[in-house]
Amino acid sequence: SQQGEEDPQALSIQEGENATMNCSYKTSINNLQWYRQNSGRGLVHLILIRSNEREKHSGRLRVTLDTSKKSSSLLITASRAADTASYFCATVALTGANSKLTFGKGITLSVRP
Amino acid sequence: NAGVTQTPKFQVLKTGQSMTLQCAQDMNHEYMSWYRQDPGMGLRLIHYSVGAGITDQGEVPNGYNVSRSTTEDFPLRLLSAAPSQTSVYFCASRSRGQQPQHFGDGTRLSIL
Repeated sequence: SQQGEEDPQALSIQEGENATMNCSYKTSINNLQWYRQNSGRGLVHLILIRSNEREKHSGRLRVTLDTSKKSSSLLITASRAADTASYFCATVALTGANSKLTFGKGITLSVRP
Repeated sequence: NAGVTQTPKFQVLKTGQSMTLQCAQDMNHEYMSWYRQDPGMGLRLIHYSVGAGITDQGEVPNGYNVSRSTTEDFPLRLLSAAPSQTSVYFCASRSRGQQPQHFGDGTRLSIL
């Protein structure tokens, strides 16, 4: 069953605008990860945030984690047409065997030139 | 660097046929996993392995077998293909600890 649920399901913005995507999850986590998937390709890891971290940056990406609300957000600043892709959050549960990664259903981001 | 390599990229099977999807990684990762991706469903874990000789079931294991005889290879076997197994299959690997997964480009499988 899906642990993470992304919101919105689809997002369309103009190039240069910021894109904010949200993820909520149900059980306590060890870490939360965001991945990008371009059409017809595999997933590419973007950023990992541990449960004791609140915010991480990587280039134009900013991820926040609120464990009290069981939610995370991914912000892409100054978006580009090349950012058009599907974005997935994935969680690693705090308990349970072997640190399995559980994915949400994904957000489709379209960046208009 | 090759990373995670999946073969074939595309395959069409008839119901009842069997086949093996290949996955190889050259990063010496202990952990390997197989996922399937269906429209509107995200990725669901089929089987995974935490090292050579060790495998376990994921969320949707029925109809699939795996083995892990070497660190590098993690093949996925469809025993008797069914139309419900039409999907895109992804193999992934990672090292021990809180590390990201590295994905292959997928195998697009159609069962007629």
